[in-house]
Amino acid sequence: GAGVSQSPSNKVTEKGKDVELRCDPISGHTALYWYRQRLGQGLEFLIYFQGNSAPDKSGLPSDRFSAERTGESVSTLTIQRTQQEDSAVYLCASSLDTSGTYEQYFGPGTRLTVT
Amino acid sequence: RKEVEQDPGPFNVPEGATVAFNCTYSNSASQSFFWYRQDCRKEPKLLMSVYSSGNEDGRFTAQLNRASQYISLLIRDSKLSDSATYLCVVGGSNAGNMLTFGGGTRLMVKP
Repeated sequence: GAGVSQSPSNKVTEKGKDVELRCDPISGHTALYWYRQRLGQGLEFLIYFQGNSAPDKSGLPSDRFSAERTGESVSTLTIQRTQQEDSAVYLCASSLDTSGTYEQYFGPGTRLTVT
Repeated sequence: RKEVEQDPGPFNVPEGATVAFNCTYSNSASQSFFWYRQDCRKEPKLLMSVYSSGNEDGRFTAQLNRASQYISLLIRDSKLSDSATYLCVVGGSNAGNMLTFGGGTRLMVKP
């Protein structure tokens, strides 16, 4: 079946502009996660959504970052007034729930470059 | 102390070698354990789950030691295609019951 999809695959933007990244999770997966991965670094958790519960925003690095999810479907991650340090691959993952029992499946990521 | 710790490597091994990675985790209440593989410039992909009794999938064997809070991955008869970063993942213990990813161990298999 279809996996997690993300768009765009690559995004180049000028410093100070806003960007919006999109994630389509696997159908039926109630949990959705956003991570950031800088070049040569590990995964950095940003935010997760579980069903209709309030999202866990504890990993968002600043108030320039926000995310929304419509029900149990598409999610968008918005970065306002982008900075060069925001350059990274933004990965989305989904799982059946957040119990930790179920593995996460990742999308191919959006490579963001801020010039 | 990081929640999930791994030796970043790189581990450089010849084809056909056996190589083992260890990973330690800090939260004794953790309930689920996985190994993921991440190729260069690609997303992480599930390699295998890790069960208390240990489990094997072809050339790969994963083991869990709850008492010492470590997880291991053994790769036998290494192939060039095994070259990747291996991520240790632990979950089911914190308030959100999320998975926590280690920083990864890089493996390079050479001819």
